[in-house]
Amino acid sequence: QPVLTQPASLSASPGASARFTCTLRSGINVGTYRIYWYQQKPGSLPRYLLRYKSDSDKQQGSGVPSRYSGSKDASTNAGLLLISGLQSEDEADYYCAIWYSSTWVFGGGTRLTVL
Amino acid sequence: EVQLVESGGGLVQPGGSLRLSCAASGFTFSTYAMNWVRQAPGKGLEWVSYISSSSGTIYYADSVKGRFTVSRDNAKNSLYLQMNSLRAEDTAVYHCARDKENGYDSAPNDYWGQGTLVTVSS
Repeated sequence: QPVLTQPASLSASPGASARFTCTLRSGINVGTYRIYWYQQKPGSLPRYLLRYKSDSDKQQGSGVPSRYSGSKDASTNAGLLLISGLQSEDEADYYCAIWYSSTWVFGGGTRLTVL
Repeated sequence: EVQLVESGGGLVQPGGSLRLSCAASGFTFSTYAMNWVRQAPGKGLEWVSYISSSSGTIYYADSVKGRFTVSRDNAKNSLYLQMNSLRAEDTAVYHCARDKENGYDSAPNDYWGQGTLVTVSS
């Protein structure tokens, strides 16, 4: 079982909100880790969006709008990326990552379609 | 302006070797840890290796351990990846990415190079 699991795809309408999940493998407690989120548009490089561990330990990437936010769902052992007020420009692949056992681990990514 | 420029990719036969380079500019290279991250065509991001600012701490993904060696030359603002015993599954675009700055809780992997394509095929 992978360390981080992300759904392959997500669809949402313009103006709506999108909720991305990043589920940590059983036995790896989401409460312990900073969850990092990256956005990669087609043909572009990954862009750092934000980090979330708790409301007191979070960081927004430089120039990243406040409609991007992080959270956690302890009940499902998942990190969350929330995007409100979806725009067509938000169409991209979204990757979560953690620093785990002295390695960077990336999730498989979720492709967001705004339609 | 922060810039990371990779070079050294190309077509190599299975079992062959390549050395990738990453030239950094626009920031104090010697104070930042660095990573190599690869992306196979149409696939997701896969971390390859980490090196601390002083080269004192180095980590590798299990998939490349024993075959790849990361190094850096802070005097030349350069990062390297020596890749030996290459396999078809190593085919990917290899990016260098800037990790955290020493002593600061800065954003990891906030800047990425455009990458260099490594193709392992006979």
